[in-house]
Amino acid sequence: KAGVTQTPRYLIKTRGQQVTLSCSPISGHRSVSWYQQTPGQGLQFLFEYFSETQRNKGNFPGRFSGRQFSNSRSEMNVSTLELGDSALYLCASTPGGSGTQYFGPGTRLLVL
Amino acid sequence: LAKTTQPISMDSYEGQEVNITCSHNNIATNDYITWYQQFPSQGPRFIIQGYKTKVTNEVASLFIPADRKSSTLSLPRVSLSDTAVYYCLVGTFNDYKLSFGAGTTVTVRA
Repeated sequence: KAGVTQTPRYLIKTRGQQVTLSCSPISGHRSVSWYQQTPGQGLQFLFEYFSETQRNKGNFPGRFSGRQFSNSRSEMNVSTLELGDSALYLCASTPGGSGTQYFGPGTRLLVL
Repeated sequence: LAKTTQPISMDSYEGQEVNITCSHNNIATNDYITWYQQFPSQGPRFIIQGYKTKVTNEVASLFIPADRKSSTLSLPRVSLSDTAVYYCLVGTFNDYKLSFGAGTTVTVRA
């Protein structure tokens, strides 16, 4: 099976812009979760989607949002970008949400 | 959330056993302990998960004492390819109340 794929792999934006990141889970996996990884804060959970519904949410401001489509693909959006949003954004998929998480390679976002 | 603490770095040599201890004093009753390995420019890769006592798979062992306030990941006979960052995670994927450690950089030398 193909692994979790994320696009784009690298992205440069400027403050105030918005960005949309995409994640395609492993075939058959219905849960997709998103994480932010920075040198200062480490790995932090953003949100989790299952069957097109957000089931769990981390402690991030409303500028961070996401959605999941009927084919389980997911997108996350960050509006009004800030310098501190520069990070590696990871998505992970599981068959049902509580099993082993399979991570994608991440999208590295740089905000200038 | 449990506060999860692990050493920043560890050095080892090929063929040795590496033990990384993670502290999680206020772990909740329902929390599991999961370890991941991460290489540069890649996402974390699942290594092992446990709740109590000892868990072993083909790549590692996880030791969890009865009080569950700490856990130790054991990597037997490491090789150069085991050089990576190892993360300890405490929590459950039912409610996603997750606490990641800051990661331990393990460097294996020839």
